Amino acid sequence: DGGITQSPKYLFRKEGQNVTLSCEQNLNHDAMYWYRQDPGQGLRLIYYSQIVNDFQKGDIAEGYSVSREKKESFPLTVTSAQKNPTAFYLCASSLMTGLTGELFFGEGSRLTVL
Amino acid sequence: SQQGEEDPQALSIQEGENATMNCSYKTSINNLQWYRQNSGRGLVHLILIRSNEREKHSGRLRVTLDTSKKSSSLLITASRAADTASYFCATDKLGQNFVFGPGTRLSVLP
Repeated sequence: DGGITQSPKYLFRKEGQNVTLSCEQNLNHDAMYWYRQDPGQGLRLIYYSQIVNDFQKGDIAEGYSVSREKKESFPLTVTSAQKNPTAFYLCASSLMTGLTGELFFGEGSRLTVL
Repeated sequence: SQQGEEDPQALSIQEGENATMNCSYKTSINNLQWYRQNSGRGLVHLILIRSNEREKHSGRLRVTLDTSKKSSSLLITASRAADTASYFCATDKLGQNFVFGPGTRLSVLP
């Protein structure tokens, strides 16, 4: 079945450590996105990519990094510079570029800093 | 900002009743979308309505859009316990990022 796969579903990190969240899609979508969701809040955009080897900062990019070496993959690294990384992270993709059209989401990765 | 804002923040109804959620936004948009999120899961797309459309139906869902008031409503008819979830509206404008509101938490009681 086509879709977006995020891993791991749960992740624990010690302060000062970098962690990488995986996002893979087999929908042949050009655009991919990373969102952060805090309890009781909406989604905030971290990074997005509309084409391979290109990506742009979203509203809350500080302390995060991404890469887009393959169309199918858009991993997110939460660096030690992110001061409050405990959150639910959602990866999404869309067929249409130009930042419009339906978003398809993965099941999310919950990161907890110990 | 074209931020969407859902209202109410939380809603509890009995099974079989209708549920209405509202979304307001601040600037002109291309499309408005509604998504559902079950607890601890990803978001699932429900319906997209374009700025030149006024109403759209999908099964038990009815969405309206009033661009003059910059608002949209999502109506779920004959609700079921399985409809319990958070519902988000998202607005988009060509060349700008999607903007999600904080969501409405719907509880459908059996």
